[in-house]
Order: sequence, then structure tokens, then C-alpha cells
Amino acid sequence: GAVVSQHPSRVICKSGTSVKIECRSLDFQATTMFWYRQFPKQSLMLMATSNEGSKATYEQGVEKDKFLINHASLTLSTLTVTSAHPEDSSFYICSARDLVTNEKLFFGSGTQLSVL
Amino acid sequence: EDQVTQSPEALRLQEGESSSLNCSYTVSGLRGLFWYRQDPGKGPEFLFTLYSAGEEKEKERLKATLTKKESFLHITAPKPEDSATYLCAVQAKGDTGRRALTFGSGTRLQVQP
Repeated sequence: GAVVSQHPSRVICKSGTSVKIECRSLDFQATTMFWYRQFPKQSLMLMATSNEGSKATYEQGVEKDKFLINHASLTLSTLTVTSAHPEDSSFYICSARDLVTNEKLFFGSGTQLSVL
Repeated sequence: EDQVTQSPEALRLQEGESSSLNCSYTVSGLRGLFWYRQDPGKGPEFLFTLYSAGEEKEKERLKATLTKKESFLHITAPKPEDSATYLCAVQAKGDTGRRALTFGSGTRLQVQP
């Protein structure tokens, strides 16, 4: 089945540093990828929609200058958390939809970010 | 605005004790309703997609059903390895390639031996 690879799975960083998270579709092409954020025991909240070759679409309340998204190819999207602060600590998950089937949404394994 | 409400928030079952999880939704034209399983510290794992009222799908001990207002995930004779959070999500009609899913808050299921 389709696989979405997300790296790193866990990162600990100091406040003020930037962290990049990669999301790759391994055996299918994805024009659109989605980035979610999840707090403990809560559901997934959509942050932004990443479109290959164009600017990302951010949800209301999500700072686009803080959460930089780049969708450079049909198989890779990156999320960079800039000048991270402790309140950015969360579980970040990417997802992608297979262009061919356009049905199932596959998720990466998530990245646990801890900002000290 | 699309909304998804799941109940109960948490459910504890004995091994072999069948039960159902509920997902109520409001959406401006349903494109699909999705069920996912999520283990702690992992991304959601796809289980089912349902498209129209009356549709049912089964996988091992799980069976998902759909009406115009809600979906149920029935778990028959659960085992401890079924313990996880089960997420329900909806996708509205539109440009299906670019529409994200709206998730419910999930039901945390614990199956005790």
C-alpha cells in the first residue's frame, strides 16, 4: 500500500532555533499534502495545505511566517518551524493523497517536537 | 462549517466484550467518511472509507456503518491489541484532491485481557 515517510520522528531543540520536518510519499505522487498538529489526547487540527509548485494555504490562526511550508516536488513537502518556542511543542503529522486513487489519505508517522 | 463529534471519549472493555463507537457529523455535502486507528506516538492508520448512507464495510473484528447523520464502528469480540484511539473524519464535496479531512476528537479504546 501507499506509504508516507516523515522525518525526524522526534526532535528536541532549544528555544529560538528552527526545525525542519520532511514528508515524503514513497510510492505515489501527491499534488497536495496536508500538515496537521495534535496535542495530547486531542484530535488532529489542520494547519495548512501544501500544494506542489505553489504557495501553501494556511488555516485561520496559523502563522505562515512561523510555519514555513515548501512543496518542491510531487513527493516531498517540508514544514519548518522557525524560531521555535516551548508553546510550539506538539506532535506534527503530514498526510498525502494518492493522485491516482484520490481516495485514501495516508499519514506519516508523525514528529514529536519538544522545545526547551 | 464541517463538524465531527465522537462518543464516548474513552471506552474500557473486557476482552471479548463487543461494543460500538459513534461518530456524528454535519457536513455541506458528504464526499466520504473515514475511520482511522491511531496508536500512541504514531500517525493515523487508515481503516475504512464510507460514501453513502446504508454502506457497510468490514475488516477482521471491525465493521463500519453509515447513515445520513452518523457512523458507527462496531467492534466484535475485541482483543487487547485492538486498544488504540479511533478517529472519525469527514471530507466535503468539492475539489477532492485538495480538500483536507475534518477530524473528530477520537475515542480512546482500552481492551483488558
